[in-house]
Amino acid sequence: NAGVTQTPKFRVLKTGQSMTLLCAQDMNHEYMYWYRQDPGMGLRLIHYSVGEGTTAKGEVPDGYNVSRLKKQNFLLGLESAAPSQTSVYFCASHKREGSYNEQFFGPGTRLTVL
Amino acid sequence: LAKTTQPISMDSYEGQEVNITCSHNNIATNDYITWYQQFPSQGPRFIIQGYKTKVTNEVASLFIPADRKSSTLSLPRVSLSDTAVYYCLVGPNSGAGSYQLTFGKGTKLSVIP
Repeated sequence: NAGVTQTPKFRVLKTGQSMTLLCAQDMNHEYMYWYRQDPGMGLRLIHYSVGEGTTAKGEVPDGYNVSRLKKQNFLLGLESAAPSQTSVYFCASHKREGSYNEQFFGPGTRLTVL
Repeated sequence: LAKTTQPISMDSYEGQEVNITCSHNNIATNDYITWYQQFPSQGPRFIIQGYKTKVTNEVASLFIPADRKSSTLSLPRVSLSDTAVYYCLVGPNSGAGSYQLTFGKGTKLSVIP
C-alpha cells in the first residue's frame, strides 16, 4: 500500500493564480483531512470530509475549497492564491471505526505564493 | 479542547532515555492523550495513545498519572534518527467534535552523537 500520497510535492504560484492539490489514499479510509503548517507552528485544520460527497470546514477554511467526489481522493483548491497561503499542506486520513486521534499523514505539498 | 504545554526543545545524547512531559490541566473525562512524531519535510506520524496508567509499544512508552493532568512520553535509548518534533495532543477519540487534531508547537528533540 502506498498509504497517503499528495500531488504535487512543490509548487510556486503568483498572487491571484489558482491551483488544486490532490490527496489520494489506498487504505479505504472514510475520513480525510487537509491541514496547513506554517514555520515553527503546529498543524491547523482547513477542511475535512467524513465520507464521499461530504465536506466540512475546519479551523482556517477561508480562501480554500474542497471536493470529495471519490472515496479515495480529497482535493484542495485555491481559487485566487495569496501570499498568506504560502505554507506546507498535509493531507491525512483514518477509518471510521478507528481512533480519530490516529491519523495517517501524507508527505506534504510545499506551496509558495509570490 | 484541552490546551497542552510541553517544552519547546530538548537535547539528549545518543543511547540515553528521553522523557518529554506534557501538561494538560483541563483534560476532560473522555479525552485521550496522543503523541505524534514529525521529521523535517515529512508529515506527522502517530506514535502512541493512552487514556490512563501506562501504555507501551515498540517505539515508546506513555506514562499517565492518576489525575491525568500530565503525561510523559518516554523514548528508550535514542539514536540520531529520533531527532524530530514531538507533539502532545489531547482530545476525544470518537464522536462529534473529535475531528480536529490540535497540534501545538511541539517539542524539538535534538539527539547529539
